[in-house]
Amino acid sequence: EVQLVESGGGLVQPGGSLRLSCAASEFTFSDYWMSWVRQAPGKGLEWVANIKQGGIERYYLDSVTGRFTISRDDAKNSLYLQMNTLRAEDTAIYYCVRDFAVATSDLWGQGTLVTVSS
Amino acid sequence: QSALTQPASVSGSPGQSITISCTGTSSDVGGHNFVSWYQQHPGKAPKLMMYDVTNRPSGVSNRFSGSKSGNTASLTISGLQTEDEADYYCSSYSSSSAFDRVFGTGTKVTVL
Repeated sequence: EVQLVESGGGLVQPGGSLRLSCAASEFTFSDYWMSWVRQAPGKGLEWVANIKQGGIERYYLDSVTGRFTISRDDAKNSLYLQMNTLRAEDTAIYYCVRDFAVATSDLWGQGTLVTVSS
Repeated sequence: QSALTQPASVSGSPGQSITISCTGTSSDVGGHNFVSWYQQHPGKAPKLMMYDVTNRPSGVSNRFSGSKSGNTASLTISGLQTEDEADYYCSSYSSSSAFDRVFGTGTKVTVL
């Protein structure tokens, strides 16, 4: 089955770090741009970061620039998001998504919840 | 980053048609045809319903259609069905260097 499965979410204190992972199945992962999109509890969607095929280009939401790093391992069909210096406002469900067209995601994972709280 | 503006809620009876608007600026909705729409049922991940303003992904009902005029994009659902009750989000590529895409504020569709 074509799917994305995220892992690595959890409860972390403000200022702490987490690394999210996303495993891709049944499609040629290396052919696609990939993104992370988040959704705070009861709120709307917010694009966080994306990465081009091969990891050559990476782009970030202003508020996470310098704190988050997106990366990929095409040999392992995996996408990652290293999150440092976490803040309460980073609390959200983080979705791994496949970008099949400009700024358009056609495949979403089930999401992983990140809670930043003391 | 300013979200695209959507009505908080839209409702209709089964079989009726409803339209959800999505208003942005010339830097996003008005400047490109990279507008997409997502449907999200409670507790579920979003699902792509429309892309590049008017294109439906394979498997999406032809009851869904998209359009754009100036800085406002729209999603129309015809022949409203109970399973259409969900949250809907628009999204647009943004030419601002700050970010890749911006999402709408979201619209709750209720089938009466």
